[in-house]
Amino acid sequence: DIQMTQSPSTLSASVGDRVTITCRASQSISSWLAWYQQKPGKAPNLLIYDASSLESGVPSRFSGSRSGTEFTLTISSLQPDDFATYFCQQYNSYPVAFGQGTRLEIK
Amino acid sequence: QVQLVQSGAEVKKPGASVKVSCKASGYSFTTYAIHWVRQAPGQRLEWMGWINSGNGNTKYSQKFQGRVTFTRDTSASTAYMELSSLRSEDTAVYYCARDSRAIYYYASGSFLSWFNPWGQGTLVTVSS
Repeated sequence: DIQMTQSPSTLSASVGDRVTITCRASQSISSWLAWYQQKPGKAPNLLIYDASSLESGVPSRFSGSRSGTEFTLTISSLQPDDFATYFCQQYNSYPVAFGQGTRLEIK
Repeated sequence: QVQLVQSGAEVKKPGASVKVSCKASGYSFTTYAIHWVRQAPGQRLEWMGWINSGNGNTKYSQKFQGRVTFTRDTSASTAYMELSSLRSEDTAVYYCARDSRAIYYYASGSFLSWFNPWGQGTLVTVSS
């Protein structure tokens, strides 16, 4: 099974900061990776798919990239609404697997 | 808009079964597969499998094989997840999520994709 390792587990940042979250796959998953945002008590919300494609309606300050088996989610300028938990998902092969999540908190 | 609405929270005793529903609206129900994902307290999201809403075919994660059953009622645009022989470790929020691509997109019938949208989640608590 493919393992997804996210870092950091928690990230403290301020409004306006540029932040990067990383997700590493235990083996090649090509670009079959998605990023989601989740707020407490709410359903996950799709941000990015196919590693770098922005979901319709998602602000352009969110972007994704890939380098081999390492994937990054970047928020270019944090807004108050962005403080949430983020997690990645691989859909290259079964079983579909998720990262453990990164909690983005206000510094 | 496309929406998945799940049934309410459940409290079950060890050894019992639970059935969670997921009602779809805003699209043609039989055109997309539905996945089930759970998240136990403090744990990462865990994929359980999918049901082809069109023909009822299913695929289960090996971890849940034999203990989980996915069904659907096309007349009600609703998918169901039933988990049996519950134990305390099954305490979790259970989500349904729609596959991102229509069923006809897949030549192989293998639904490997991202999920959008998700249901609001159903908390299942297993406690004696």
